[in-house]
Amino acid sequence: GENVEQHPSTLSVQEGDSAVIKCTYSDSASNYFPWYKQELGKRPQLIIDIRSNVGEKKDQRIAVTLNKTAKHFSLHITETQPEDSAVYFCAASKAGTYKYIFGTGTRLKVLA
Amino acid sequence: KAGVTQTPRYLIKTRGQQVTLSCSPISGHRSVSWYQQTPGQGLQFLFEYFSETQRNKGNFPGRFSGRQFSNSRSEMNVSTLELGDSALYLCASSLTGSDTQYFGPGTRLTVL
Repeated sequence: GENVEQHPSTLSVQEGDSAVIKCTYSDSASNYFPWYKQELGKRPQLIIDIRSNVGEKKDQRIAVTLNKTAKHFSLHITETQPEDSAVYFCAASKAGTYKYIFGTGTRLKVLA
Repeated sequence: KAGVTQTPRYLIKTRGQQVTLSCSPISGHRSVSWYQQTPGQGLQFLFEYFSETQRNKGNFPGRFSGRQFSNSRSEMNVSTLELGDSALYLCASSLTGSDTQYFGPGTRLTVL
C-alpha cells in the first residue's frame, strides 16, 4: 500500500549547521510533496512544498529536493537557529485521491 | 482570514462512550480532511470531504465516521470508544483537496 518513510526520527545539530531530513515514498504516481513543521503543542504549519514537475525549490534557509527516479525527497535547512527546533513531517499525495500520506516525523533539536 | 478552528479543544471520555468533534474550515475552503495523530504513528489519514461528499477514507474501523455540512463545516464521530482512540485529532482544510492543507489546532481526546 501507500507508504512514506521518513529518516531520521531524531536529529540534533549545532546552531548554524545544516540539517537534512529525507523521505521515501512508495507510490510513483505521487505528485505533491509538502513539508510541515509542528512546534510543541501547536498545529502543523506548511513550510515548503514541491510538485513533481520541479526538481528543487528554495525559500530563504529552507529547500526541498525531489528525485522522482529514486522516489525520495529531502528537506534542507541551512544556518539552523534554535527556533527551528520542532517536529518536521513530510507528506505525499497523488492527484485525484485527496489523500495525504505522512511520514512519522523527525524531531529536530538545534543546540545553541 | 480566520484560520481553521476545532471544538472542543480537549475531551475526556470513558470506554464505550461516543464522541463528536467539530471542524470549521477557512472561509472559501470546501475540502476538509481529518487525521489522527499519536506519538508513534504520526498523522494517520481518516477521511476527506468535499461538498458534503466523502471522497476518500483511510484504514480505520467503521466506528470512525464523519460528515460535512453545506457550509463546509465538518464533524467526525467515534462510537464505542476504546483506550487506543486516545489521540490528537486534527482537521485540515483546503480549497480543492489537491492543494495546500491548513491545519486546525486539534482536539485532544483522552479515553479512560
